[in-house]
This record gives sequence, C-alpha cells and structure tokens, in this order.
Amino acid sequence: DGGITQSPKYLFRKEGQNVTLSCEQNLNHDAMYWYRQDPGQGLRLIYYSQIVNDFQKGDIAEGYSVSREKKESFPLTVTSAQKNPTAFYLCASSRRGGLGTEAFFGQGTRLTVV
Amino acid sequence: SQQGEEDPQALSIQEGENATMNCSYKTSINNLQWYRQNSGRGLVHLILIRSNEREKHSGRLRVTLDTSKKSSSLLITASRAADTASYFCATDETVISNFGNEKLTFGTGTRLTIIP
Repeated sequence: DGGITQSPKYLFRKEGQNVTLSCEQNLNHDAMYWYRQDPGQGLRLIYYSQIVNDFQKGDIAEGYSVSREKKESFPLTVTSAQKNPTAFYLCASSRRGGLGTEAFFGQGTRLTVV
Repeated sequence: SQQGEEDPQALSIQEGENATMNCSYKTSINNLQWYRQNSGRGLVHLILIRSNEREKHSGRLRVTLDTSKKSSSLLITASRAADTASYFCATDETVISNFGNEKLTFGTGTRLTIIP
C-alpha cells in the first residue's frame, strides 16, 4: 500500500524539550516537504529536500531542524528554540521534475506544548 | 511569506450552486496546483495547470491561469455537501539561488461550506 505516513498523530511536549516528528514515504519520491499549519491558516513551508543528504530552509525554518539520510525518511525536530511550536504539522512528498507533479500528504501530526 | 493569497477567505453557498475561488501569487512559476483539505486532515491534490496553459478541466472542476496577472481561479460546478472543505492553491517555482531546487508554496486557503 503506497503512501506517506506521519507519526504520531498527536504529540504532547513540555516546554524546553526537543521533539521529533516522523515522516516516511514508500512512493520512491525524491522531494519531501514539511509544513506548519495554524488554526484557520494556510500552510507555511518549514524545510524541503529534493535529494538525499540535501535540504533547504523554507519560510519559517527558525527553531526547526531536519535530516535526509534516506530517500524514504525526512524527520523534523522541533527544538526548544521554537517559541510557539503548538501547531498542526504536515509532511508531503513528490517526484522531481521541471514540469511539476502533485504532492502527496501525510495525515499530519498535531503537536501541543503543555 | 505566503506565495499565494486566496479570495474569498470563506464562502457559503447552497447545494447545486457553483463555487468560485481565486488565487493570486507573487513570483514566476512552473505550474499552479489546487488542493483540498478536510478538517484536521492532510491535503489532497485536485488539479495542476502548467504555466503555458490557460484553462483546464477535470470533472466538475475548472481551473484558469493568467500568468500576466499572476492569478488563477477554481470553479466547482453543481456543488455537493461533500465539497465542504478548505481549498488551497500552491505554486511550484524553481529557486535559482538554490541550484534549481523546486519549492512548493501554499496560499492561505478558502473555506467552502455547502449548505444542503
């Protein structure tokens, strides 16, 4: 069953702690993306990666870190430096190509700081 | 910063009516895509229109693209209650400063409610 999987679905974190959100895809996609969505808002790009061992900052990268050691995996770490981490986080993947292709999304992880 | 801005932010119509949403963007793009999101879920791709296309159809969906105005519209005809969702446009641009990396950026979304 091909797709993109995010885990966990819900995550609670104490202030000052780092937490890592998982994103795995078995679609053989080169490109992967992390977005943050606040209530009633659009998606803001955190980081994106077009190839293994390479990634670029998006519009709101401060307080976040990523790695891309495997094609299938693109974990996002929310660090204690992120001042307002409570949000809905979405991971996506797509094929590369200048003509563009559709992105496939996971079901999201809802992070709450307690 | 958001690349795309959708208009209106919210739209409520009666079932059976047509719904039109607009998207404006800022930079040159390779293509523009529309996605749908049900509450609390991931996004689902609806349709993609390339920068050299002006109009595209898929079932009850019609998308137009005007690159001179940097704008696009999504028309849903004969709306159904199941069309209730948020709709987002997304632009795919090549970031020259990042060795040609492709960046997919989303707009702020239109929340569509279909009244049965």
